Amino acid sequence: ETGVTQTPRHLVMGMTNKKSLKCEQHLGHNAMYWYKQSAKKPLELMFVYNFKEQTENNSVPSRFSPECPNSSHLFLHLHTLQPEDSALYLCASSQPGLSSYNEQFFGPGTRLTVL
Amino acid sequence: LAKTTQPISMDSYEGQEVNITCSHNNIATNDYITWYQQFPSQGPRFIIQGYKTKVTNEVASLFIPADRKSSTLSLPRVSLSDTAVYYCLVGPNTDKLIFGTGTRLQVFP
Repeated sequence: ETGVTQTPRHLVMGMTNKKSLKCEQHLGHNAMYWYKQSAKKPLELMFVYNFKEQTENNSVPSRFSPECPNSSHLFLHLHTLQPEDSALYLCASSQPGLSSYNEQFFGPGTRLTVL
Repeated sequence: LAKTTQPISMDSYEGQEVNITCSHNNIATNDYITWYQQFPSQGPRFIIQGYKTKVTNEVASLFIPADRKSSTLSLPRVSLSDTAVYYCLVGPNTDKLIFGTGTRLQVFP
């Protein structure tokens, strides 16, 4: 498999559930990102990991908990979410520092619905 | 990070050239200009990036005037499959991309 993959593609959960989103990149990149895209709103950067270390937390509520066990995998653990957390969650990766490009490669996203 | 302003939406017909202009008056010396494309329910896809003058690839051209306070993404001979949202981003080579609302391009047959 190539590029950036995300599972599951669709997820419906109740407010008391605990679930996890998974992202995997097969590009050899060292930076990975989580974004949230709500209906009719711009993409919001949530978390950034560089070489497995979290370098950015964009004031995200603690009910979202990221985990980056290695440079190829990124998780977003979800617990006690609210209906307003329903959105498309996108993962991306990039290879910072090697060139002037800051091109990020995005996965297809997980469509999350919180009931 | 420099703020960008671009039209909310544009309409075009198949076969026409489409130019989307982005304003970024506060662009900094070390900022690059990058454009992404996003189809519904998909992640954005990198289109093109430039610093000054003109950049061209197999998909688009990017025109940047000398003062760099604006840039124009040019899509030659658009097709229906070019219907998407196009984002203009300005920033240095960091890992923090700030997406605006983008320009929704609708291509008609």
